[in-house]
Amino acid sequence: QKEVEQDPGPLSVPEGAIVSLNCTYSNSAFQYFMWYRQYSRKGPELLMYTYSSGNKEDGRFTAQVDKSSKYISLFIRDSQPSDSATYLCAMSASRNNNDMRFGAGTRLTVKP
Amino acid sequence: SAVISQKPSRDICQRGTSLTIQCQVDSQVTMMFWYRQQPGQSLTLIATANQGSEATYESGFVIDKFPISRPNLTFSTLTVSNMSPEDSSIYLCSVASGEGEQFFGPGTRLTVL
Repeated sequence: QKEVEQDPGPLSVPEGAIVSLNCTYSNSAFQYFMWYRQYSRKGPELLMYTYSSGNKEDGRFTAQVDKSSKYISLFIRDSQPSDSATYLCAMSASRNNNDMRFGAGTRLTVKP
Repeated sequence: SAVISQKPSRDICQRGTSLTIQCQVDSQVTMMFWYRQQPGQSLTLIATANQGSEATYESGFVIDKFPISRPNLTFSTLTVSNMSPEDSSIYLCSVASGEGEQFFGPGTRLTVL
């Protein structure tokens, strides 16, 4: 079993839809959680960062962490074609990220 | 957040040669990381580079193949030595904020013929 599980998709939705992306993990020591957006031929861009459990909202994006279930989610409201990218979840037990683990990435396409 | 640049952005190299990738950060950071991302795959950590100490390599990666320098708190290099087509990949450097966040550079796309 991988430490971090993420459905690679691909996921295709119409413009304006609500997108839900998820990861599960097995290491209960993880406490720093990140979502990255990666456009084709580009480096990963940090989209959302959450420490421990709870919700965080930034514009159309909401990140949720449920440590009791070892489950994290990223919601995208009013999805746009420009949101088409690969989304990677990542997590770490250390604030220096020297034990960072990544999901496989979910490829999202938002169709106009 | 940290602004990270990498050089070169891409290169095409011949088998058996070496390529050095540079990573520059706009602020001083303690921990820098080098990753490899093969097509359609997630990120694989090659090594952690701390200023003033030897790089720490992950299983499957060795210093002779991927020598790393970290001369100061804003700069690092990764060399891919004696390249083969299997080394074709995107190479990414990243930095830890020290507060749990990690930021990535734009990547170097390497093709080995």
